[in-house]
Order: sequence, then structure tokens, then C-alpha cells
Amino acid sequence: DADVTQTPRNRITKTGKRIMLECSQTKGHDRMYWYRQDPGLGLQLIYYSFDVKDINKGEISDGYSVSRQAQAKFSLSLESAIPNQTALYFCATSGPPFWPQHFGDGTRLSIL
Amino acid sequence: KNQVEQNPQSLIILEGKNCTLQCNYTVSPFSNLRWYKQDTGRGPVSLTIMTFSENTKSNGRYTATLDADTKQSSLHITASQLSDSASYICVVSAGAQKLVFGQGTRLTINP
Repeated sequence: DADVTQTPRNRITKTGKRIMLECSQTKGHDRMYWYRQDPGLGLQLIYYSFDVKDINKGEISDGYSVSRQAQAKFSLSLESAIPNQTALYFCATSGPPFWPQHFGDGTRLSIL
Repeated sequence: KNQVEQNPQSLIILEGKNCTLQCNYTVSPFSNLRWYKQDTGRGPVSLTIMTFSENTKSNGRYTATLDADTKQSSLHITASQLSDSASYICVVSAGAQKLVFGQGTRLTINP
């Protein structure tokens, strides 16, 4: 079983819909992250959480929200999806600072 | 502005050949530099992490170098295999909470 699991793997939806992407991990890490990947660009940080009570905005948080339901679960929501949010979304976890991040296999989201 | 630039954007080589991927960065303060491998349809996987004091680090056929003075890093792949076909991403850590990602180099290994 994967250490970092993202669901769904693929999603096609319409403009204006509310969407939730889910991430769960079995690595026991406190730190969890949501990234967005667009073709030709580096990964961009949307939100990150260092523990259940800690939520922080990243570089591109507008239009997104998150919930850290438990140490192992971190979900990303698009309240009212728009076409330019079409992208590949990755969840990642890490242990202490400066340790490598462990990524899920991504959710490919298309908004029509 | 913190930036990480990778060259080339894409590279095609024959199986068994060596190659070198480049990463230039302007990130401050510098904490460490990471190389990740991302297979198509998968998430990135860590290859190496290098701190300021490390010049070279190897992971099997992958060898990363770091020149903190010129702010350059390279990833050298020896005796390439078909399974090395992937995107390679350079990531620089600016302090404990900030990671700056390069756009990646897409490497294709042809038989």
C-alpha cells in the first residue's frame, strides 16, 4: 500500500462546483502539504500544515481551502471551481525540517 | 526573487549513455538542495539532499554535485537505463519552511 494516498486520482467537473481532494498517509508524519503542478512550471505550494491545529497559506492559496481532520488526513477544497484551476494536484508529507518530502501520486483535475 | 532554473528543459539520450542535468538557483537563505525523480503519472521521489557543506552525493547511478559559491548543482546519471526516463526536479530549501521548485528536466532514454 502507498504511504501517501490521494483520492480521487482523476476528476472532471464543471465550473462553479465544489470539489474536495483527499489525502491520507501512513508514514506518521506531522507535516502535510498540498501542491499544484502545471505544465512547464515548478510545483507551487497551496497550503501546508505542521500539525492538526496548524494550517498555513502557501504561495497560491486564493480559491482553495484545507482541513486537517487528523494527523493522517489532509483535504483540499475548491469552493467554486474555475477552469484555470485545472492542474495536477499533489499531497506530500515530511518528518522534521529538512527531511525529504514524500508525495502521493497526484489527482488530475479538469474543470470545464 | 527566489528562483530555480533547470537546463535543459528536455533531453533525449541512448540507453547506456551518461548525461548531466543542470540546476542554477538564486535562493536565500540557502538550507539545502534536493533532487527528485518524477515518473509519468507518479509523484516525485527524493534522490538526494545536499547541505551547504556537501559537494558531492551519490545514490546508485545518480551523482549530485553542489557548488554553493556559484549557486549551481548538477545531477549526473551514469550508464542510463530505460527506467531513468522521467522528469528530474531540482528543489532548493530557503529556510525550514520554504521550498523553491525548478520546472524540471524531462529525460527520455531511447533503446
